[in-house]
Amino acid sequence: DIQMTQSPSTLSASVGDRVTITCRASQSISSWLAWYQQKPGKAPKLLIYKASSLESGVPSRFSGSGSGTEFTLTISSLQPDDFATYYCQQYNSYPLTFGPGTKVDIK
Amino acid sequence: EVQLVESGGGLVQPGGSLRLSCAASGFTFSSYEMNWVRQAPGKGLEWVSYISSSGSTIYYADSVKGRFTISRDNAKNSLYLQMNSLRAEDTAVYYCARDHMVPFFDYWGQGTLVTVSS
Repeated sequence: DIQMTQSPSTLSASVGDRVTITCRASQSISSWLAWYQQKPGKAPKLLIYKASSLESGVPSRFSGSGSGTEFTLTISSLQPDDFATYYCQQYNSYPLTFGPGTKVDIK
Repeated sequence: EVQLVESGGGLVQPGGSLRLSCAASGFTFSSYEMNWVRQAPGKGLEWVSYISSSGSTIYYADSVKGRFTISRDNAKNSLYLQMNSLRAEDTAVYYCARDHMVPFFDYWGQGTLVTVSS
């Protein structure tokens, strides 16, 4: 199984900050990586797929990069609506696996 | 508008069974692969099972293999998860999620809570 890790586990930031979250895979997954945002009590929302493709309707302040085993999600200017938990997910092979999540909270 | 609505969750004793349903609307259900993903209270996301659009291909996480069965009824636009031999560690919110032709999830239901406790 492919193990996914994320860092940091928690990130404290202010509105307007540039935020970067890292996701690492235990083996190469090419660009088969997605990012989700989840708010408390809600279902996850797709942000990025194929490592860097922005899902329709997602603000352009979100971007993704990377390939192989190391990936990043960047929020260029953090907005109040962005305080949430972010998960990466590999879809290179089954079983599909998620990272443990990164919680972005208010500094 | 794409909608996925789960139902069937509740409180069940260890060793018991439960059947979850997911009603789909707003898209051609028979053309899409579907999945179940769960989230234990305060924990992260765990993929549970996948079913192809025709139902001919199915995958399970090792943690549920042999106990859970995924199925679908394309005529009823519905996805199911039959859960047997339930354990405390199966306690979670269960989401149905639409596959985007490759297995990431572009639409999710609101989730249904399954609690396994005596």
